[in-house]
Amino acid sequence: DTEVTQTPKHLVMGMTNKKSLKCEQHMGHRAMYWYKQKAKKPPELMFVYSYEKLSINESVPSRFSPECPNSSLLNLHLHALQPEDSALYLCASSVRDPGSPLHFGNGTRLTVT
Amino acid sequence: AQSVTQLDSQVPVFEEAPVELRCNYSSSVSVYLFWYVQYPNQGLQLLLKYLSGSTLVKGINGFEAEFNKSQTSFHLRKPSVHISDTAEYFCAVSQDRGFKTIFGAGTRLFVKA
Repeated sequence: DTEVTQTPKHLVMGMTNKKSLKCEQHMGHRAMYWYKQKAKKPPELMFVYSYEKLSINESVPSRFSPECPNSSLLNLHLHALQPEDSALYLCASSVRDPGSPLHFGNGTRLTVT
Repeated sequence: AQSVTQLDSQVPVFEEAPVELRCNYSSSVSVYLFWYVQYPNQGLQLLLKYLSGSTLVKGINGFEAEFNKSQTSFHLRKPSVHISDTAEYFCAVSQDRGFKTIFGAGTRLFVKA
């Protein structure tokens, strides 16, 4: 069982829809991440939050909007997505010490129609 | 800048045979090295990590890896694989500062009966 929980597991949305992905961890980790993974590719970093503040934005289009309401929760708000945004979206968390490994959730499989 | 090269995109092997998955990295500073495994429809799970000290690192599920600084390699090995080891394996590197983990392209290990 993973200690990082992501909901929903699957999401199908139209290009005009607004939806949100949710991520929760109770390991006391103060760094949380969003990654995007296309089929047969490695995960690509999108956003990093450290102490609930946005630390890294990897030039992600504004149709993706992250939010970290508290130290356990991470959301990714989606609006006006394109079909090429279809992918597995992975949430991860870690302690803030150098060399700390990432703890991943099982992801949300997003399909944009 | 850091980079990670996984030399084999696919490795087919028979059950109970030994396997080596190759990884080379480049970085101008000291790095931390990781191997993650991804089973179908799941997130990534940490297999093992090298931070410092002994160059032979043991991980979960019988896997081990050897850090070779002169060859800038961090190859993953298992003396006898099982069908259940069939998965995607990612080598990854991070630095002392920041929150960026760079992943290699991945190696698909396919264990045949």
